[in-house]
Amino acid sequence: NAGVMQNPRHLVRRRGQEARLRCSPMKGHSHVYWYRQLPEEGLKFMVYLQKENIIDESGMPKERFSAEFPKEGPSILRIQQVVRGDSAAYFCASSPLNSPSDYGYTFGSGTRLTVV
Amino acid sequence: DQQVKQNSPSLSVQEGRISILNCDYTNSMFDYFLWYKKYPAEGPTFLISISSIKDKNEDGRFTVFLNKSAKHLSLHIVPSQPGDSAVYFCAASASGQNFVFGPGTRLSVLP
Repeated sequence: NAGVMQNPRHLVRRRGQEARLRCSPMKGHSHVYWYRQLPEEGLKFMVYLQKENIIDESGMPKERFSAEFPKEGPSILRIQQVVRGDSAAYFCASSPLNSPSDYGYTFGSGTRLTVV
Repeated sequence: DQQVKQNSPSLSVQEGRISILNCDYTNSMFDYFLWYKKYPAEGPTFLISISSIKDKNEDGRFTVFLNKSAKHLSLHIVPSQPGDSAVYFCAASASGQNFVFGPGTRLSVLP
């Protein structure tokens, strides 16, 4: 009965490289959310996905960022041509249908991306 | 244009006393509110929720109060324990799906 699994925990990329962050939701959870936490700031919503569908990507930067949640496998947050400002902790959360307002999301431990 | 504000970056409380963490929001469409606790190097952990149809919700040592007219909510922890030392985030949503988080308050409970 594993929780939300994110990997890698730490990721170092040079400027211009691609970063791929993976998230496996809790068993039975069909909704995935990605949040980003910059140093000394709160969590900022990025994107909300269900299987094979992007429901709300209003928090995603228009360029270089993309997310998917395929029918099989984990959700992927992809950042192309990373820049130093992308350095942050990226958290994935999952929920079953219609639960976040009552029981909140379940968050993973995050991926800490450092761009050098 | 922060929609969810936690104006106290930090708070220190003696063990056994009450901790009161405050949160203000600006969007009158917000109807769902969550509190999370976060330890270093871990993901946030859900604590308690409230929706706008209620003004109070209790779960053990944790109580959340909502004053919708003032756009203000607070989390009370009684009695405070050293293990409660963490960063506390409040979060708000209009839809109940994606949430806007505040910047957090770091609580230190002193033995």
